[in-house]
Amino acid sequence: ILNVEQSPQSLHVQEGDSTNFTCSFPSSNFYALHWYRWETAKSPEALFVMTLNGDEKKKGRISATLNTKEGYSYLYIKGSQPEDSATYLCAFLNSGGSNYKLTFGKGTLLTVNP
Amino acid sequence: NAGVTQTPKFRVLKTGQSMTLLCAQDMNHEYMYWYRQDPGMGLRLIHYSVGEGTTAKGEVPDGYNVSRLKKQNFLLGLESAAPSQTSVYFCASSYGPGQKPLAYEQYFGPGTRLTVT
Repeated sequence: ILNVEQSPQSLHVQEGDSTNFTCSFPSSNFYALHWYRWETAKSPEALFVMTLNGDEKKKGRISATLNTKEGYSYLYIKGSQPEDSATYLCAFLNSGGSNYKLTFGKGTLLTVNP
Repeated sequence: NAGVTQTPKFRVLKTGQSMTLLCAQDMNHEYMYWYRQDPGMGLRLIHYSVGEGTTAKGEVPDGYNVSRLKKQNFLLGLESAAPSQTSVYFCASSYGPGQKPLAYEQYFGPGTRLTVT
């Protein structure tokens, strides 16, 4: 079983704060790293799919970086808003013969207080 | 384009009863997955399918069976429900390598909340 760790488990910030959280994954047999946003009472939706070491993706105020050699990815939110409140999941796709299922971390629950 | 749909949305079962959860997608995705979500455990893969007529076990397959008779549908069966199967079940689908290389972005259904008493 592959180990995908996310930290922190939960985070409370004030509106306007910038924040970041971490996903660590095995550095061998890397294929792709996914970030999903999961709002309460909804289903997860993909934010980013990252495949290259050093990759940086951005969508509005949210961005992500990837380091495949050391096995970590950061998700950054600039100027957090209450609507950013959600659980952020990362998921690792390995290339070791079964490159069609993701291993999910347990997520970081972000609460942005107005 | 409905995306990924799941039926039913809610269900209460008694221990020992059986039921089938239906997942349907209209995006011509090759791969389909069933996950369960429990507090503090994240999403755990139950079974998955890489194409019509194929199924494979995931991380927590015991007590469940699946079938993929049509490309667009993926069924999850509980033969004899147990309280430990109380959970929220999510279906997801994605393109396969022959369809859209380097993607595997998963599209999730709205979930089915199952309670086994």
